[in-house]
Amino acid sequence: EVQLVESGGGLVKPGGSLRLSCAASGFTFSNYSMNWVRQAPGKGLEWVASISRRSTYIYYADSMKGRFIISRDNAKKSLFLQMNSLRAEDTAIYYCAREYISTKSYYFDYWGQGILVTVSS
Amino acid sequence: SYVLTQPPSVSVAPGQTARISCGGNKFGSKIVHWHQQKPGQAPVLVVYDDSGRPSGIPERFSGSNSGNTATLTISRVEAGDEADYYCLVWDTDSDHWVFGGGTKVTVL
Repeated sequence: EVQLVESGGGLVKPGGSLRLSCAASGFTFSNYSMNWVRQAPGKGLEWVASISRRSTYIYYADSMKGRFIISRDNAKKSLFLQMNSLRAEDTAIYYCAREYISTKSYYFDYWGQGILVTVSS
Repeated sequence: SYVLTQPPSVSVAPGQTARISCGGNKFGSKIVHWHQQKPGQAPVLVVYDDSGRPSGIPERFSGSNSGNTATLTISRVEAGDEADYYCLVWDTDSDHWVFGGGTKVTVL
């Protein structure tokens, strides 16, 4: 059974940093690109960042570029998101999502349960 | 940045059909995926590659993509289908994933 479990969330002051982790199990982690997606309270889904299987290709949403760093450790089957210079508007539930490659395209087929990050003084 | 447009809300009576649209600029070449999110839960994939249906998703859920609009259709709507629905595409111009703003489906 595919499982994605996020951790590392919590309360942080504006300007602070936080590192999220996503532990994967039930599949060969190194065969899949991975993503972070967030959802601010009462708002819609917002893609944050994407990392390819061997970390060759990394992409960020414009509002996160330069502040957030996505990384992975295939040996430990883990995905990470280092968040720096945090702002109140970064307050959200953060989800990790697996990216599946089909014959036609690619899409998010599994999601973690999410972890809450609150940025407040 | 690329923008996907969805109606904020759709209301439908039980047993009827709900249709949720998703569109954007130069949309025709894009492949669309749909996720369902119930309150307090993580999103769940309900349609992939415009019209594919993942294992475990009822046949009542179907998708299409034609012209400038993709459509998620929920036939014979049930109370349990009440949720937010998001379309998702990969924008090759920006190398970004883009979500639509979401559509809240209310079962009357």
